[in-house]
Amino acid sequence: GDKVKQSPSALSLQEGTNSALRCNFSIAATTVQWFLQNPRGSLMNLFYLVPGTKENGRLKSAFDSKESYSTLHIRDAQLEDSGTYFCAAFDTNAYKVIFGKGTHLHVLP
Amino acid sequence: VTLLEQNPRWRLVPRGQAVNLRCILKNSQYPWMSWYQQDLQKQLQWLFTLRSPGDKEVKSLPGADYLATRVTDTELRLQVANMSQGRTLYCTCSAGGGADTGQLYFGEGSKLTVL
Repeated sequence: GDKVKQSPSALSLQEGTNSALRCNFSIAATTVQWFLQNPRGSLMNLFYLVPGTKENGRLKSAFDSKESYSTLHIRDAQLEDSGTYFCAAFDTNAYKVIFGKGTHLHVLP
Repeated sequence: VTLLEQNPRWRLVPRGQAVNLRCILKNSQYPWMSWYQQDLQKQLQWLFTLRSPGDKEVKSLPGADYLATRVTDTELRLQVANMSQGRTLYCTCSAGGGADTGQLYFGEGSKLTVL
């Protein structure tokens, strides 16, 4: 099965609403990263997390290594938040970063 | 600020022909350079991390064969051969040197299409 499982796979949001994306791990993850890929293909790093939480503007992310999951909360969604969100975990046993399949987010006006 | 410069950005590749990709690091604070592939289903997969000039590695994945070379402290190359399915190759950089490879920064990608 997938070592990094993202949910939901796709999501439509009304502008101004809130949402949460989730990532579950079946590996020994020590750090988590969240990325946003825009329609042109550019990948932007949103967060790099050790266990704990981080906040940046309307985005907030948490990583719980004991329960093996991470979340990304989007507050007051804007049209420019549309794209594909990827989470990625560092697998200490394999010594590499493993990506989830992504959540495709569409923010509606 | 651009940390990485990839070229070419797009390439049409005749079936059976190899293609050479290049990635230039613009900031020496992030010396760990890697290649990732993104397939047509958008799945991202780590390919290589090459830390030192002279490092070389090969790998075969479904749909392509790869040869990666760390040419200098600032240049990483990737040869893609026997490609049967299109894909995008991304170069990344990170600070590395710790318990993991560190926060990843992506280049703009090289999108390959098979003719």
